[in-house]
Amino acid sequence: TQLLEQSPQFLSIQEGENLTVYCNSSSVFSSLQWYRQEPGEGPVLLVTVVTGGEVKKLKRLTFQFGDARKDSSLHITAAQPGDTGLYLCAGDRPLNAGNMLTFGGGTRLMVKP
Amino acid sequence: DAGVTQSPTHLIKTRGQQVTLRCSPKSGHDTVSWYQQALGQGPQFIFQYYEEEERQRGNFPDRFSGHQFPNYSSELNVNALLLGDSALYLCASSLGALRRKQYFGPGTRLTVT
Repeated sequence: TQLLEQSPQFLSIQEGENLTVYCNSSSVFSSLQWYRQEPGEGPVLLVTVVTGGEVKKLKRLTFQFGDARKDSSLHITAAQPGDTGLYLCAGDRPLNAGNMLTFGGGTRLMVKP
Repeated sequence: DAGVTQSPTHLIKTRGQQVTLRCSPKSGHDTVSWYQQALGQGPQFIFQYYEEEERQRGNFPDRFSGHQFPNYSSELNVNALLLGDSALYLCASSLGALRRKQYFGPGTRLTVT
C-alpha cells in the first residue's frame, strides 16, 4: 500500500489543454516535493512546499499544499509536449538521524502535439 | 560542477548472484541515499549514509547493504539476487542528512534473469 497515492496514474492530453495531478495521504508531512522524471534519468526536483495552504508557481505549473499538509496538487496550464514525463510527489518526514522521502506511485503524462 | 554519477548504467545478473552498484555524490555533498524504483512505480527508500554510517533504513531485507567511503562516495550491495530485485536503482545526494533537497543520479538499471 502506497503511503502517498497519486492520481491519475496515466494521462494523455492534447497540447494546450490544462490538467491537474493529485497526491493524497492520510499522513502529515513536514514538506512535500514534486519531481519530474524522464526515461533513462533520475527524478529532477521541481518544487518543495512546506507550509499548509502554500501555493507555488513555476511558469505554467502551479503547486498547492493542503491546509493539513496531507495532500498536494500540481496544475499545468496549456500543456506542451515538453511537459511529457513521469511526475512524482514525495513526502518528507524527518526522523531523528536523517530524513527519508516517501514517493507516490507517479503520474505518467503524455502531451500530444 | 559534476552532478551525481552512478555506475554501471546497466547490469544483467542471474538469480542468486551478488551485485555492487556505485555512486559518487554531487560535489560538496556528504550524504547519500539509495532508492529502488520498480518499473511503473515510484522510488522506494532503501537507506541513507552520512558520516560513513547507515542513518536510516527503509523496509528492505538484510540482503541489501551499503557502504560510504571517506570521500563520500557510496556502494549498494545486494546478495542472493531475486527476480523481484530487477529495478532502477537511484542514488541521491544532499548536503547534510537533514537537508530536504536531494539531487538524483541517472540510476543503474539492474535486470535479474
